[in-house]
Amino acid sequence: AQKVTQAQTEISVVEKEDVTLDCVYETRDTTYYLFWYKQPPSGELVFLIRRNSFDEQNEISGRYSWNFQKSTSSFNFTITASQVVDSAVYFCALSGFLYYTGGFKTIFGAGTRLFVKA
Amino acid sequence: GAVVSQHPSWVICKSGTSVKIECRSLDFQATTMFWYRQFPKQSLMLMATSNEGSKATYEQGVEKDKFLINHASLTLSTLTVTSAHPEDSSFYICSAGTSGRGSSYNEQFFGPGTRLTVL
Repeated sequence: AQKVTQAQTEISVVEKEDVTLDCVYETRDTTYYLFWYKQPPSGELVFLIRRNSFDEQNEISGRYSWNFQKSTSSFNFTITASQVVDSAVYFCALSGFLYYTGGFKTIFGAGTRLFVKA
Repeated sequence: GAVVSQHPSWVICKSGTSVKIECRSLDFQATTMFWYRQFPKQSLMLMATSNEGSKATYEQGVEKDKFLINHASLTLSTLTVTSAHPEDSSFYICSAGTSGRGSSYNEQFFGPGTRLTVL
């Protein structure tokens, strides 16, 4: 079975603080993809990053960084020096090719609501 | 990047009526389209997967007769909520993918969502 767990339901920080959003996944696929999406109040999903299962290199993009560790099945997301505009719901997602269905499925975690206060 | 549109962006209807939501891939051909439903403060739940020209595959617990999906072309999929009731009020999001059976990766692009309110 495929599963994505985001244990943090809500996080509240003060602007300029660093914050890490946790994501733990389960899959039997050997090839899979992990994603992070941001969902602001408007509702539209904003793609942040995609990682495939063979690439464990950490990635940094501006204030955003991601730590992928297959050994612990985790794909954590850190925002450095948070800003009020970072306030949103963040979803971690897992996509894999499930042979019994013959196609890809993307499973989303429950989401973490981030509040950044000025 | 690839663009996926949804129409309408929001709709209010009376209980018992049917509502059709369109999902279009504007600048690419989508072999696979996915429909998700998101209740307030909850995650996106996959409802069904459809490949162009074939019947949709519904997730467990999703009524296929209530949520009719048509994927008639490589750029258009429609979701019809038949005989809508207040409990169907939700945010419906489609995504369009570029792979089919046997492909190694399914690039997915999400639409902006449609907010359905059933009175």
